[in-house]
Amino acid sequence: DVKVTQSSRYLVKRTGEKVFLECVQDMDHENMFWYRQDPGLGLRLIYFSYDVKMKEKGDIPEGYSVSREKKERFSLILESASTNQTSMYLCASSAGGRNIQYFGAGTRLSVL
Amino acid sequence: SQQGEEDPQALSIQEGENATMNCSYKTSINNLQWYRQNSGRGLVHLILIRSNEREKHSGRLRVTLDTSKKSSSLLITASRAADTASYFCATDFYTGANSKLTFGKGITLSVRP
Repeated sequence: DVKVTQSSRYLVKRTGEKVFLECVQDMDHENMFWYRQDPGLGLRLIYFSYDVKMKEKGDIPEGYSVSREKKERFSLILESASTNQTSMYLCASSAGGRNIQYFGAGTRLSVL
Repeated sequence: SQQGEEDPQALSIQEGENATMNCSYKTSINNLQWYRQNSGRGLVHLILIRSNEREKHSGRLRVTLDTSKKSSSLLITASRAADTASYFCATDFYTGANSKLTFGKGITLSVRP
């Protein structure tokens, strides 16, 4: 079974802190994605990556950056956390050419 | 927005009844997928239907796709309390070499024991 692991289930940070959310997948998938999920807004794509060291902006990239130094790991970085970044963050991966996405359990981030 | 829109936003039924959820979208797609999310967890893929397919079954799930109306429906037959979850449709529309999914806002299904 595909496993996508997010480093933390719950995270509490202070405004202005630099925050790292880590995601690791064990199925050698080419594609990885970061979403945020907010009530009434559904899932919104922040960034995605189709290969190591490659990244593309999604629908709401402002305030975020990403890093993909190894194929299995995709990190989401909040450069200076703000309260409006309090949300559920979901990581997903998929194999190239087949767009079924496998999700991690999510990280619920609170920025105080 | 290319986002799929689900209907209704919330659905409450009795165990044993069928649940029907609908999804509409705006542009041509490669395929449409349905995902399920239990409270506070990640999404789990349920079923994929390609643009050249009209109906697909998987266990108690039946998905239909009408590309002329740009709509899809998900039917869960003989629902169980364990089916209580949020359900999302996701559209895969061609954007070049690498496609991606666009998710709707989800339908909250409650199945009463």
